[in-house]
Amino acid sequence: SYVLIQPPSVAVAPGTSARITCGGNNFETRSVHWYQQKPGQAPLLVIHYDSDRPSGIPERFSGSKSGNTATLTISRVEVGDEADYYCQVWESVDNPVVFGGGTKLTVL
Amino acid sequence: EVQLVESGGGLVQPGGSLRLSCVASGFPFSDHYMDWVRQAPGKGLEWVGRIRNKANSHTTEYAASVKGRFVISRDDSQKSLYLQMDGLKTEDTALYYCAREKSANFVWDYWGQGTLVTVSS
Repeated sequence: SYVLIQPPSVAVAPGTSARITCGGNNFETRSVHWYQQKPGQAPLLVIHYDSDRPSGIPERFSGSKSGNTATLTISRVEVGDEADYYCQVWESVDNPVVFGGGTKLTVL
Repeated sequence: EVQLVESGGGLVQPGGSLRLSCVASGFPFSDHYMDWVRQAPGKGLEWVGRIRNKANSHTTEYAASVKGRFVISRDDSQKSLYLQMDGLKTEDTALYYCAREKSANFVWDYWGQGTLVTVSS
């Protein structure tokens, strides 16, 4: 079955940049979407179609994709950015939705 | 303001049934595909299934893990989404979220706060 690989955790200092990766096969033909989930809250869409930012999401959040890796970059990280981040793709008609295992971002 | 409010969760024994509801407001509910996504305690997100809009005949799709046991339906007149869960297993224990698809594309731009389902004897 199709798998998306994310690092379990990333830790950065406030004011620096955080990069969260998502690895998968055949990314050239797939769009990657990213969700932020703070403790006790529902997920929030922060990036869709690899690099598009939904209305209301700060410009500090950006997405990119190269080869078989997609990256969510959070610039000038704030304490309020501490959350779990999930990548997601459409895989196939038989297995439409695949989520990565999630990355816990800690702001030191 | 878009709102999605789930209800119906609770404790149920293995093999039992439960029906979840999600009431929507603040957007043209009938136009949108709607999904259920769940999250087991301390775990990641897992898609459960979706129901298309009326223009697409309210057809449904399900994850392999729930196919044949769960049924998604909707009542556009009540702006409500439902998840009928039968044959529940302990591994179905999770927080169940109702979520709106942005553009019929498996991208969810609004989520409810979830309703907790616990399957245990």
